[in-house]
Amino acid sequence: DAGVIQSPRHEVTEMGQEVTLRCKPISGHDYLFWYRQTMMRGLELLIYFNNNVPIDDSGMPEDRFSAKMPNASFSTLKIQPSEPRDSAVYFCASSFPGGQPQHFGDGTRLSIL
Amino acid sequence: AQSVTQLGSHVSVSEGALVLLRCNYSSSVPPYLFWYVQYPNQGLQLLLKYTSAATLVKGINGFEAEFKKSETSFHLTKPSAHMSDAAEYFCAVTRYGSSNTGKLIFGQGTTLQVKP
Repeated sequence: DAGVIQSPRHEVTEMGQEVTLRCKPISGHDYLFWYRQTMMRGLELLIYFNNNVPIDDSGMPEDRFSAKMPNASFSTLKIQPSEPRDSAVYFCASSFPGGQPQHFGDGTRLSIL
Repeated sequence: AQSVTQLGSHVSVSEGALVLLRCNYSSSVPPYLFWYVQYPNQGLQLLLKYTSAATLVKGINGFEAEFKKSETSFHLTKPSAHMSDAAEYFCAVTRYGSSNTGKLIFGQGTTLQVKP
C-alpha cells in the first residue's frame, strides 16, 4: 500500500519566494496533519484537518503560512513570503479517527537562503 | 490537558545491552500511547501502540513497552541493542475513544546511540 506521499523531498529557494509543499494522504484516512521539525524546537504541529476541514491551526507560526485541503487526497502548505527561519523539515501525516496512529511521509527538507 | 515527558534527550548503550527509554504522560482521561522511531532523513515510523488492551505491548524490531497507570509511564525497552537501533525515538499520547480529537501530543524525543 502506498504511504503518505510528500513532494518535493528537497526545496532550496531564496528569501521572499513563495514555497508550496504538497501531501497526498493514505486513502481513506480522515485526518491530515502538517508538522515542522527543527533542531531547536523539535517536532511542532502546525495545523490539522478532519474530513478536509481545518480543525486547529493554532500552531501556524505567522500569516505567511497557509494550508489547504481541497479534497480528501491532497493538501498543500504554502509559505509566502519565505524567510530563512522557515528552514526546516516539514512532515505530513494522516490517520483514521478514534485515536489511531498517524502515518508520516518522508518529509520535505526546506532551505531558505 | 495531556502532556508527555521523555526523560533523557540522549541515551547511549553498548551493542547487546538493554535499551530503556523513559516516557511519562499526563492525561485526565484514559490515554492511547505510542512510540515512534525516526531514522536519519526519514519520517516517523510507528514502533508500537497501547490502546487499552494488554498493558505489555510488543512492537516491531524486538521493542516492547509496558503501560503502568499507577506510575503514568510507558517506558520502551529492548533486551539487546543492535547498531541499527540508533535513531531518535518519540513517545506520544492521545485521548481514548469518542473524546479523541485526532491530535497526538509528542514528547521531545530521545536520541539513542549504540556503541560497538
